[in-house]
Amino acid sequence: TQLLEQSPQFLSIQEGENLTVYCNSSSVFSSLQWYRQEPGEGPVLLVTVVTGGEVKKLKRLTFQFGDARKDSSLHITAAQPGDTGLYLCAGGSGSARQLTFGSGTQLTVLP
Amino acid sequence: ETGVTQSPTHLIKTRGQQVTLRCSSQSGHNTVSWYQQALGQGPQFIFQYYREEENGRGNFPPRFSGLQFPNYSSELNVNALELDDSALYLCASSLGQGRTEAFFGQGTRLTVV
Repeated sequence: TQLLEQSPQFLSIQEGENLTVYCNSSSVFSSLQWYRQEPGEGPVLLVTVVTGGEVKKLKRLTFQFGDARKDSSLHITAAQPGDTGLYLCAGGSGSARQLTFGSGTQLTVLP
Repeated sequence: ETGVTQSPTHLIKTRGQQVTLRCSSQSGHNTVSWYQQALGQGPQFIFQYYREEENGRGNFPPRFSGLQFPNYSSELNVNALELDDSALYLCASSLGQGRTEAFFGQGTRLTVV
């Protein structure tokens, strides 16, 4: 069974601070996706990374896929209250069609 | 282009009852997956349908069943509801063909009392 562990589980920071969220597994994934979910809504896809060592930037968000494709990180620069939400990582495997989700990081950015 | 839509948005059922949840996939997507998300947890894969056939199943009992229709919309049926079935049920559509990026609906919040 493939498992993804996210840390920290909860994070509360002030506006303007930087933060990093981690997603780790003992399994190799063919792709790794990051989603953000707000209360009462479904997850919204932020990015997909597929190559070991790949780095993608989305405005103030930087995503990295580990060299061995077992871990990933999400770094947010100068966090804003609008970044508040549940951040989920999800691993995809070529043969299995489903996504394996981490348990999420609940981020609160205080004004 | 319409996104993924689910109905109903909220539902309250009694233990032992049966429930049907519905999902319309995003235009052009032929693969639909269903996930269960308990409070404070990440989504757990229930099953996936591709071109009207079940194409993978997670660790859920047989009382969780589904259908996909020719227009790629889908249903999730749960029989003999239990209190632990209370959760947010998410439908996600994707392009299939090995593409794992999923686009989610807003979910159906099911409460079993």
